[in-house]
Amino acid sequence: EIVLTQSPATLSLSPGERVTLSCRASQSISNYLAWYQQKPGQAPRLLIYDASNRATGIPARFSGSGSGTDFTLTISSLEPEDFAIYYCQQRSNWPPMYTFGQGTKLEI
Amino acid sequence: QVQLQESGPGLVTASQTLSLSCAVSGASIRSGSYYWTWIRQHPGRGLEWLGHIFYRGTTSYNPSLQSRTTISLDTSKNQFSLKLSSVTAADTAVYYCASFVDYGAIWWGRGTLVTVSS
Repeated sequence: EIVLTQSPATLSLSPGERVTLSCRASQSISNYLAWYQQKPGQAPRLLIYDASNRATGIPARFSGSGSGTDFTLTISSLEPEDFAIYYCQQRSNWPPMYTFGQGTKLEI
Repeated sequence: QVQLQESGPGLVTASQTLSLSCAVSGASIRSGSYYWTWIRQHPGRGLEWLGHIFYRGTTSYNPSLQSRTTISLDTSKNQFSLKLSSVTAADTAVYYCASFVDYGAIWWGRGTLVTVSS
């Protein structure tokens, strides 16, 4: 089973700052990586898929990069509504399944 | 857009079977557009994919829970269901239903908290 490790666990930042979150896979997953944002009491929301494609309606300040085992999510300038928990997720073709990283919390 | 709504008991007795349903609107579960999926989140913890079902009835489950998990379709009600048998306190979590495409979850339900009591 592929394990995703996110770092750091928590980041304390201020609005306007640039931030880069990391997600590392235990083995190569090509570009089969997605990123989600979750706010308290809400379901996650898809931000990025296939490592670098923004989902519908996601602001351009969110960008993703990487392939193989190392991936990053960058927020170019933090808005107050961006303080949340971010999860990466990979998909495997066989067996067909999905796994998530443990999350990175962005806090003010 | 697709809307999903979980329903089922919020309290389940240990050793019994947890049963949840997910009502889908805005899409037909027979359309083949999505993988109809269950995910859970333990309190204050991360996300765990439980499994999914495709419109033909093909299922895939998380290997760590496969022996206890069943996902099924009810096309007459346009909904799909989760059964998790022999539950313990470790199964206490918020359970989400979601519609996945190959790369990830597009639509989510709001989630429902299920508590396992002894």
